[in-house]
Amino acid sequence: AQSVTQPDIHITVSEGASLELRCNYSYGATPYLFWYVQSPGQGLQLLLKYFSGDTLVQGIKGFEAEFKRSQSSFNLRKPSVHWSDAAEYFCAVVANNNDMRFGAGTRLTVKP
Amino acid sequence: DSGVTQTPKHLITATGQRVTLRCSPRSGDLSVYWYQQSLDQGLQFLIQYYNGEERAKGNILERFSAQQFPDLHSELNLSSLELGDSALYFCASSVDVLQETQYFGPGTRLLVL
Repeated sequence: AQSVTQPDIHITVSEGASLELRCNYSYGATPYLFWYVQSPGQGLQLLLKYFSGDTLVQGIKGFEAEFKRSQSSFNLRKPSVHWSDAAEYFCAVVANNNDMRFGAGTRLTVKP
Repeated sequence: DSGVTQTPKHLITATGQRVTLRCSPRSGDLSVYWYQQSLDQGLQFLIQYYNGEERAKGNILERFSAQQFPDLHSELNLSSLELGDSALYFCASSVDVLQETQYFGPGTRLLVL
């Protein structure tokens, strides 16, 4: 069955530390891949997306993600986390049937 | 500000009632999508319209329906409401039908009592 998995429900990192949020998908072909961020009480904001080409994608706010076909993964990274990055992060995929599926989300807490 | 507007921001109603949520897409966007976000189900895609026509259907209940009007705004109708329908309902829009980049509105928070 088609699915998107974010294995970490909650992650806590110290301000200034590096961050990696995991995302794995299960689809027959390479889907379109996205990372969104949701701050409390807000809608979702697109951080970055991957359709094809260079597997390392740069996004807004200093985020990047790497598509690894062999691992069916699209992990989100940031070298140095800021307190304002505390939010919920969603990985999403769009497959051939035009259906967008979201992972369960990872809540990021940033310690001072 | 994504450019997508949703009204109302909050809605409180009783079981068995019917409500209508409204969404105005970004200027120039032809596709509108509806999502439901709840604690137990997470974020779920409900339905997509492109230039007035239904294009894709997700986990939308039969009690729910949507439409997109000639001016491209969209409405999501929820009827025979149940307690479990309490959730945040998001609308998103994109330029074309391929669901490439979606811009999300701030959401409508529905509470069914």
